[in-house]
Amino acid sequence: AAGVIQSPRHLIKEKRETATLKCYPIPRHDTVYWYQQGPGQDPQFLISFYEKMQSDKGSIPDRFSAQQFSDYHSELNMSSLELGDSALYFCASSLVGGYPSGANVLTFGAGSRLTVL
Amino acid sequence: GNSVTQMEGPVTLSEEAFLTINCTYTATGYPSLFWYVQYPGEGLQLLLKATKADDKGSNKGFEATYRKETTSFHLEKGSVQVSDSAVYFCALRASGTYKYIFGTGTRLKVLA
Repeated sequence: AAGVIQSPRHLIKEKRETATLKCYPIPRHDTVYWYQQGPGQDPQFLISFYEKMQSDKGSIPDRFSAQQFSDYHSELNMSSLELGDSALYFCASSLVGGYPSGANVLTFGAGSRLTVL
Repeated sequence: GNSVTQMEGPVTLSEEAFLTINCTYTATGYPSLFWYVQYPGEGLQLLLKATKADDKGSNKGFEATYRKETTSFHLEKGSVQVSDSAVYFCALRASGTYKYIFGTGTRLKVLA
């Protein structure tokens, strides 16, 4: 079965640089979520999109922005990178309001590890 | 606000021991509750879920029952294996929202 695809898997940047992470949700899923997980931390919700519109916003810094495109893939753009931005960034998708047992459940990608030097 | 509280780890058990990882929540309405597992270097994977009070989620020998009266969703397994070593996250999705809230995770280490 198709899963959530994230790219790149690993990314190394210098401080003050810009990074872009991509996420391809499971086909027919209508909602995409971005989470940030620092070392030994729980995933922190950043932002979500439902049907290409921003649906919820969490602890996302103003330096970060995200969008969901017409093909439902999403991109997380991070500018003026700081050392503290080093983390695993997970994308997840779900089918909101679906009834089957597999719906309404977050499915995560393998994550993109960002290292800021 | 909505929140999830998990017991702190790490939890270290011998193989075939009984496992309980406590999880309590605070939420308005009737949230859906989840347990996710994260193996080293991987993303979170759904382990089990429950969508209404008294529902029991189960998978791979793990079980958790949605207890509204105690606002709890404790994870249990009767006999753990070395391969169960991972970090376990309790999570909720409050009704009427898109956002999933995770607990801080509990690291489980099972020794042979």
